[in-house]
Amino acid sequence: NAGVMQNPRHLVRRRGQEARLRCSPMKGHSHVYWYRQLPEEGLKFMVYLQKENIIDESGMPKERFSAEFPKEGPSILRIQQVVRGDSAAYFCASSPGQVTYEQYFGPGTRLTVT
Amino acid sequence: GIQVEQSPPDLILQEGANSTLRCNFSDSVNNLQWFHQNPWGQLINLFYIPSGTKQNGRLSATTVATERYSLLYISSSQTTDSGVYFCAGEAGGTSYGKLTFGQGTILTVHP
Repeated sequence: NAGVMQNPRHLVRRRGQEARLRCSPMKGHSHVYWYRQLPEEGLKFMVYLQKENIIDESGMPKERFSAEFPKEGPSILRIQQVVRGDSAAYFCASSPGQVTYEQYFGPGTRLTVT
Repeated sequence: GIQVEQSPPDLILQEGANSTLRCNFSDSVNNLQWFHQNPWGQLINLFYIPSGTKQNGRLSATTVATERYSLLYISSSQTTDSGVYFCAGEAGGTSYGKLTFGQGTILTVHP
């Protein structure tokens, strides 16, 4: 049973470009979570999604960031017009159900903005 | 939201030593997990332990939910145990699904 998959593992973007990060949850998991690890700030929750629904986006920056989890295909975290402060590790996690369940993390995408 | 405090912030051990890491929560949690972030940056699930005690090889964890803390025990440490250990909790209610992480304990095991 494959784990949570994220791609790309490393992404380099110039300021002003768009970054698209992909996450495929574990088989049978319908809940996806995105977290960001900024240097010196630790791991912070960004957004919680179920298929075709955003459940909680309280951790998402108000501008330039969006997330989706379509009926088919991976979850996408999209960052428009990236700035140097967006450089971080972005982790995706998944869990199987509607009650509190263990979250399983992917290997992360390391975004570098030059 | 809940606050998560981990101690100690740094820990240096000789191979073979035992250690205890602690995690305190400001409020009750429905979900509590321990992770190891290895030197390559990957987050490895260690325990899902909202209450009680679990063991996995040289590692074990205990959560006392009524007193809002959890402990991670590492016995006979090895150099491969080096990295950052995080605990994280989910408060439930309006915070359902949202894990709040502690700042981590940086463990260095010397040969």
